[in-house]
Amino acid sequence: DQQVKQNSPSLSVQEGRISILNCDYTNSMFDYFLWYKKYPAEGPTFLISISSIKDKNEDGRFTVFLNKSAKHLSLHIVPSQPGDSAVYFCAASTDRYGNKLVFGAGTILRVKS
Amino acid sequence: GAGVSQSPRYKVAKRGQDVALRCDPISGHVSLFWYQQALGQGPEFLTYFQNEAQLDKSGLPSDRFFAERPEGSVSTLKIQRTQKEDSAVYLCASSWDSYEQYFGPGTRLTVT
Repeated sequence: DQQVKQNSPSLSVQEGRISILNCDYTNSMFDYFLWYKKYPAEGPTFLISISSIKDKNEDGRFTVFLNKSAKHLSLHIVPSQPGDSAVYFCAASTDRYGNKLVFGAGTILRVKS
Repeated sequence: GAGVSQSPRYKVAKRGQDVALRCDPISGHVSLFWYQQALGQGPEFLTYFQNEAQLDKSGLPSDRFFAERPEGSVSTLKIQRTQKEDSAVYLCASSWDSYEQYFGPGTRLTVT
């Protein structure tokens, strides 16, 4: 029973364009959502998060959108840079302190120069 | 500022052997988490400590898996009588009681 789903295994984008990574969830008890970025042979690193009381959170080139009614969130990267090429994981938690994160399977982003 | 470190980075074990994986969290971090990441999948929660107390071990797949953090700092994940299905990357993360978990590089375990 996958509670967090990232249906696109990979995404290829031209440098300078927008990258949109999508995530769907099934558990309505989730109230905190996070995006992590992972390079090969490294652990995931925190990128951006959003509470369920918001529908948008922005940090520089990264914006996360949350649609609670659709149980859907997305990560927008504008403009995309070659250094953004990595695996992106969506994660969710049922409490603000993020214990027991539930992760999606990840999306490989390739930014072409 | 050292991050989360894990050792060994790679471990090959023969089926039936016991293994011990070590995690050194960021100094002062209260919370420590273990995750298992199978190939092509996202990390899956195994267990969680707050200081030395193991508050949640609901993700441990069997009683062959055991984790400890006796002094509230370094943690060890032990797997007894390893099986092929235990092959995965084991990730440790720590946090200062917040949602932002800092991950180590992981230990890749291969059971042959």
